[in-house]
Amino acid sequence: DTAVSQTPKYLVTQMGNDKSIKCEQNLGHDTMYWYKQDSKKFLKIMFSYNNKELIINETVPNRFSPKSPDKAHLNLHINSLELGDSAVYFCASRQLLKGKGDTEAFFGQGTRLTVV
Amino acid sequence: AQSVTQLGSHVSVSEGALVLLRCNYSSSVPPYLFWYVQYPNQGLQLLLKYTTGATLVKGINGFEAEFKKSETSFHLTKPSAHMSDAAEYFCAVSGGAGGTSYGKLTFGQGTILTVHP
Repeated sequence: DTAVSQTPKYLVTQMGNDKSIKCEQNLGHDTMYWYKQDSKKFLKIMFSYNNKELIINETVPNRFSPKSPDKAHLNLHINSLELGDSAVYFCASRQLLKGKGDTEAFFGQGTRLTVV
Repeated sequence: AQSVTQLGSHVSVSEGALVLLRCNYSSSVPPYLFWYVQYPNQGLQLLLKYTTGATLVKGINGFEAEFKKSETSFHLTKPSAHMSDAAEYFCAVSGGAGGTSYGKLTFGQGTILTVHP
C-alpha cells in the first residue's frame, strides 16, 4: 500500500498546454510539499500545505498553482507550460510535531514532466 | 536561513571499500539533519537522521553518520560498499516546525555513488 502516490508518473506535453499532477498520502500526515528536481538533480521546494493551508510558497511562477482539497491531497496545476518546466516533480508528506522538524518526510515516486 | 553543501558530486569506490560522503550545513537554529537515498527513477528514501542526543547515528543498509557541531558536518559512511549501494545520496537540513520554515527540508546538490566490482 503506497504511502505517497503521485499520478501520472510520466507526462509529455506541448508548450502552452495546461496540466495537473495529483498527489495523495495515506499516512495521516498534516503537511504536504511539492519539490522540483531539475536536470542536475537539484531538489528545490516549491510549496507546502499544512492542514489545507498554504504555508510555504517559494519563488515560483504564478503559472504554478497548488490546491489542497483536504489534508490527504495536494495537487499541482501548471498553466501555459514552458520548456523550462521540464523536470521531475516530487510530492512529499510529513507529520510536523509542534516546534520540531525532526520527523521523516515521505516522498512519492515522482512525476517526470517533459515539455516539447 | 539554511543551506547544505555536499562535497563531491561523484564518488567512486570499489566493492568492499569504505564509503565516505561529505555534507556540511549552515543553520541559524539547532539543525535536524537527514540523509536520503535515491535509486534511479525512484523517489527519496530516508537512510538516517540526526535530531538530538547521540551524535553518531545508525541508519539502514549499514550506513551511519556523525553530527559534528564544531565542524558543521554530517558525513555519511559505510565500512564496506556493496554494488547495491550505487545510487544518489542527498543530505538535507530541516528547521523547526514553527516560525517561517514549517519544517522545510533544504537539500544539498546530491552525490552520485558508483561502486565498482
